[in-house]
Amino acid sequence: NAGVTQTPKFQVLKTGQSMTLQCAQDMNHEYMSWYRQDPGMGLRLIHYSVGAGITDQGEVPNGYNVSRSTTEDFPLRLLSAAPSQTSVYFCASSFGPGGYTFGSGTRLTVV
Amino acid sequence: AQRVTQPEKLLSVFKGAPVELKCNYSYSGSPELFWYVQYSRQRLQLLLRHISRESIKGFTADLNKGETSFHLKKPFAQEEDSAMYYCALSTNAGKSTFGDGTTLTVKP
Repeated sequence: NAGVTQTPKFQVLKTGQSMTLQCAQDMNHEYMSWYRQDPGMGLRLIHYSVGAGITDQGEVPNGYNVSRSTTEDFPLRLLSAAPSQTSVYFCASSFGPGGYTFGSGTRLTVV
Repeated sequence: AQRVTQPEKLLSVFKGAPVELKCNYSYSGSPELFWYVQYSRQRLQLLLRHISRESIKGFTADLNKGETSFHLKKPFAQEEDSAMYYCALSTNAGKSTFGDGTTLTVKP
């Protein structure tokens, strides 16, 4: 039982590049979310999903896309990276609202 | 809109002293409230949820709907409690909002 697995752990992108942050969970959780963590700003919700095929926007969705084709996977796509997207990204999952299990995070730097 | 406020960014206490980390929320419906903890170089982990009314690592939190608060308390702080603490609110629609966090330092 691996829990929530995020890849990669570290990534450096150039401005304008695109990439996908991967998130997978093996706990059969319906709820999954993506957050970014910036110094002094806590965790801000980017996108979330309450089941396969269902996604919704959080507080800071601009510049990011998600899809949920399976229960296990919830990838986050950066369409055209900007320096403002430099952050630590966390994926989380749970059976119901809240009570999340978190991944170990992806540290992204956009230069 | 839902909002979680943690008024203290930093909190420092001595070992053995009581500690209270404040959390206030705003939400028009019936929220579920949680506390999460992030120790140095570790991932975020769930500490408490209000519906279970449990004590974890000596911490308790009571939901006060009148004051819209969910403060985290421990009667005797330990050095290993030093960490970042986040309060979070979740709705039935699956949206979870976190506060900005409080960094707790327990001095020897």
